[in-house]
Amino acid sequence: QKEVEQNSGPLSVPEGAIASLNCTYSDRVSQSFFWYRQYSGKSPELIMSIYSNGDKEDGRFTAQLNKASQYVSLLIRDSQPSDSATYLCAVPRSNDYKLSFGAGTTVTVRA
Amino acid sequence: SAVISQKPSRDICQRGTSLTIQCQVDSQVTMMFWYRQQPGQSLTLIATANQGSEATYESGFVIDKFPISRPNLTFSTLTVSNMSPEDSSIYLCSVGAQSGSGYEQYFGPGTRLTVT
Repeated sequence: QKEVEQNSGPLSVPEGAIASLNCTYSDRVSQSFFWYRQYSGKSPELIMSIYSNGDKEDGRFTAQLNKASQYVSLLIRDSQPSDSATYLCAVPRSNDYKLSFGAGTTVTVRA
Repeated sequence: SAVISQKPSRDICQRGTSLTIQCQVDSQVTMMFWYRQQPGQSLTLIATANQGSEATYESGFVIDKFPISRPNLTFSTLTVSNMSPEDSSIYLCSVGAQSGSGYEQYFGPGTRLTVT
């Protein structure tokens, strides 16, 4: 089992819709979870971090964490064409700060 | 978050040669990380560079191929040695900062390497 798995893409959503991205992880002791956005040809940009069970909202982004089920999700509300990018889920390995990344989900928002 | 710069931003190199990539941060940081992103792939950690100690390499990466220097708390270099076309990737450095949500990492702009 891979350490971090993301739902396969690509994901195409119409403008204004909700884009839902899922991520599961294998290490039960992981405490913090991160979502990065990567535009084509650019480096990853941290857009959301979460460490408590439940929801965390930041503008149009909502991260949801369920440690018992070992999944973390990212919702993008009112999707805009500028949200078209690859979204990477990252989870620190046990007992250190080194990140394991999922394969990424490419989102395309159709105008 | 810290401002991170990398040089060069891109390069085209011939096989068998070496390239040194520089990473500069605008504040002092304890740990710096080097990642590789192969075409169409996600990020893979190469090594962690702490100032004053030897870099620690991940499985599949060795010091002879990817020597790293960390002379001070704001600078690091990664050398890709004896390059082959399989080394064509984006190389990224990152630094971290402790926050209320854990240790967050931020990435430099990356170095796009093409080996011919």
